[in-house]
Amino acid sequence: GNSVTQMEGPVTLSEEAFLTINCTYTATGYPSLFWYVQYPGEGLQLLLKATKADDKGSNKGFEATYRKETTSFHLEKGSVQVSDSAVYFCALSDGTGSQGNLIFGKGTKLSVKP
Amino acid sequence: ETGVTQSPTHLIKTRGQQVTLRCSSQSGHNTVSWYQQALGQGPQFIFQYYREEENGRGNFPPRFSGLQFPNYSSELNVNALELDDSALYLCASSPVAGTNVKLFFGSGTQLSVL
Repeated sequence: GNSVTQMEGPVTLSEEAFLTINCTYTATGYPSLFWYVQYPGEGLQLLLKATKADDKGSNKGFEATYRKETTSFHLEKGSVQVSDSAVYFCALSDGTGSQGNLIFGKGTKLSVKP
Repeated sequence: ETGVTQSPTHLIKTRGQQVTLRCSSQSGHNTVSWYQQALGQGPQFIFQYYREEENGRGNFPPRFSGLQFPNYSSELNVNALELDDSALYLCASSPVAGTNVKLFFGSGTQLSVL
């Protein structure tokens, strides 16, 4: 079945460091890929998405490129801030079966120290 | 414009009991999805409601049931609670049903089953 695998956390970085959170997926067909972020005490928020191969999603300095050949959607940011501390979830939507059904990875907790 | 609100925020129940969780969707949204997020895991899709009809279901037993009302608010009911039902239950609304629409999440209801 379809699945998403994320690098395990927690990830601890100093402010202004470079961030990469790895995400790979298994899916039939052509899924859409998403990154969601969950700040402490809040619900999940969509950070960025890509709907087809080679698309790059970007938002708030974060980027991720849909790589079909490596079935990956790694999240990157050039210079993290303390306010980026949160849990990041990679997810896919394969468009089959239940509409709106997102399949999430387990999440990666990021802590940024000043 | 109010966001997605869920009630209660926390709940403690005993094994075998029944529970009802509530969700008010964001203004203008006619679709509500429910997810279960166990500790340290990503959210798992329970079901979705679109215009008061179930529009898809994940791999959850029938004791998980739902309703959507004419104002598009929704309830999640769980019968015969089990210890493994302890989790954060997330509600998400969207303006339409679809695979690539943006979901707006509430902060969740933390359910503990003792």
